Amino acid sequence: EPEVTQTPSHQVTQMGQEVILRCVPISNHLYFYWYRQILGQKVEFLVSFYNNEISEKSEIFDDQFSVERPDGSNFTLKIRSTKLEDSAMYFCASRGQASNYGYTFGSGTRLTVV
Amino acid sequence: AQSVSQHNHHVILSEAASLELGCNYSYGGTVNLFWYVQYPGQHLQLLLKYFSGDPLVKGIKGFEAEFIKSKFSFNLRKPSVQWSDTAEYFCAVISNTGGFKTIFGAGTRLFVKA
Repeated sequence: EPEVTQTPSHQVTQMGQEVILRCVPISNHLYFYWYRQILGQKVEFLVSFYNNEISEKSEIFDDQFSVERPDGSNFTLKIRSTKLEDSAMYFCASRGQASNYGYTFGSGTRLTVV
Repeated sequence: AQSVSQHNHHVILSEAASLELGCNYSYGGTVNLFWYVQYPGQHLQLLLKYFSGDPLVKGIKGFEAEFIKSKFSFNLRKPSVQWSDTAEYFCAVISNTGGFKTIFGAGTRLFVKA
């Protein structure tokens, strides 16, 4: 079964540093998403991306965040200057254009900001 | 805005007990509803989904859910739980806004005693 692949699985970074989280969505999917889950809390929507542009973003997704699909296969989330409160599990997801809106989630990247 | 409410934050059951986890959603129009499971240390996995048709939906691992439109509910059930069902369960709905983001409930932590 096709998978969404995320790398790295765990990243530790110092406060103020930039991080890039990488995702390889399923190849024929067209909609891409980032979600995050702070430890012990619910999964929160960050951003959706379609046709090479952001289609929706949450309040969490401020100017410190950006997304890119640089080469037609990778889908990246960049945090420009990390804060302690950015520590969370970040999930990438992708969806095809079929009307059943089925999502596939990646296994996540655990980001720890120290 | 659409929202999802899960009634129980923590549930403890013995093996072979029956399970019902409550979920209510706020939107009155056409909805696409999901239950996801997250085993300890793992990523989100889709248990089952409802788009239309038979309101009783069967998923993987013996789980089922019933869509009751009049009650705005989509409760998850399993007749007999196993220790391996220990996990966190998230009810979710696809937003009707552009981007089709997933809105998650706060989750229910299920612990099954052996």
